[in-house]
This record gives sequence, structure tokens and C-alpha cells, in this order.
Amino acid sequence: DVKVTQSSRYLVKRTGEKVFLECVQDMDHENMFWYRQDPGLGLRLIYFSYDVKMKEKGDIPEGYSVSREKKERFSLILESASTNQTSMYLCASIHFPQAFFGQGTRLTVV
Amino acid sequence: AQKVTQAQTEISVVEKEDVTLDCVYETRDTTYYLFWYKQPPSGELVFLIRRNSFDEQNEISGRYSWNFQKSTSSFNFTITASQVVDSAVYFCALSEAGFSGGYNKLIFGAGTRLAVHP
Repeated sequence: DVKVTQSSRYLVKRTGEKVFLECVQDMDHENMFWYRQDPGLGLRLIYFSYDVKMKEKGDIPEGYSVSREKKERFSLILESASTNQTSMYLCASIHFPQAFFGQGTRLTVV
Repeated sequence: AQKVTQAQTEISVVEKEDVTLDCVYETRDTTYYLFWYKQPPSGELVFLIRRNSFDEQNEISGRYSWNFQKSTSSFNFTITASQVVDSAVYFCALSEAGFSGGYNKLIFGAGTRLAVHP
């Protein structure tokens, strides 16, 4: 059974903290994506990676960075968390045209 | 550029009514895929259907049906005889098949929240 696992379901962090959201897939896929979901805005693409150590900016990369040191793991980093980054974050692993999603991390920045 | 528009933000129906969720897309590619996902209150995205750009046949799966029309760039989703368990947010998504650096982005619409009342 294919699996995309996000390290936390819920997170509460303080403004200014450095935050790491981890995503692991067990399908040996090249392409991994981070989305942010907000009401009325759907899923917006933050960053994606199509290979180890490769990354591309999505539509809303400001305030975020990513790391892909191993094929199975794609990390989203909030360098200095702010309240406007409170959101649901979804990781996806894609082997075109199939896409598999993690369960989501609901991040609250206080 | 890719774009997916779901003009209906929220729809409210009474059980057993039929409901259609609209999806309009934009792409310059001739080869692409369209998707529908369901997101129940639990939050996980549930894959419903994938359709490639060369297959305009409509599809029916139980109470669900999809109408793909390239002429109007639409991929609409109809639920027949809706049930309370259909209450969820539904997302339409598009992925172009052109290999730009070896990756294919999956772009989502804003979603339609469907509430089915008893």
C-alpha cells in the first residue's frame, strides 16, 4: 500500500520560530510537492522537487524553503514563522499521472 | 499558464437532490490530465477520477458522473441522489503532461464546499 507520511498532524509554534515540516514517501517517486490549503483559496503550490537536491519555486514560495537530501524525504522549512503562515500544509508524491497525498499538517503560529 | 476555476464556493442541497460541481480549466498543452478529489472533514484528499485530454468519454461510477468537454474547457462533476456522506470540499485539478525539466505540476482550483442536509 502506497504511503505518504507527514510527521505531524497538528503543530503549534511561536512567531519567529524556525519550523520544519517533514514528508516521507515509500514509493521511490522523483516528484514531491508542498501545498498550502486555505479556505476559499484551494491548494496553492509552495515548492516542489523533481529529484534529490533539486527544487523549484511554486506559486507562493515567500517565507518558505525546502530540503531534499534523500529521495524519500521532502522537508518544508519556515525560516521565521509568522501568523499568516497558519494554515493546513499538504505534501504530495507524484508519479505522473498519479498523485498521492499525506494526511496534512495543521500548523498554528501564535 | 495553467489555471483551474471552480466558480461555486459553496453549494447546499437537501438529500436525494442531484448536484453538479463546475470546473473550468486553462492550459496551452494539448496533452494534460484532469482530476477530481474529495476532502471530507477528516482532511485527507480522496482521489475520485483522472481523465486524460484525449478521452472525452463521459464516465459514470455509481452515483457519480463526470462530463468532460474540451470545446468549453470544462470537466464537471455530478452527484445523483446526494447523501449526507457526500458533504465535503471537492477539488478539481489539472496537470500538464509537457515535460518541463522532468516534472509535472498539479494545479488545483479553489474548491467547492458541498453541504448535503437530511
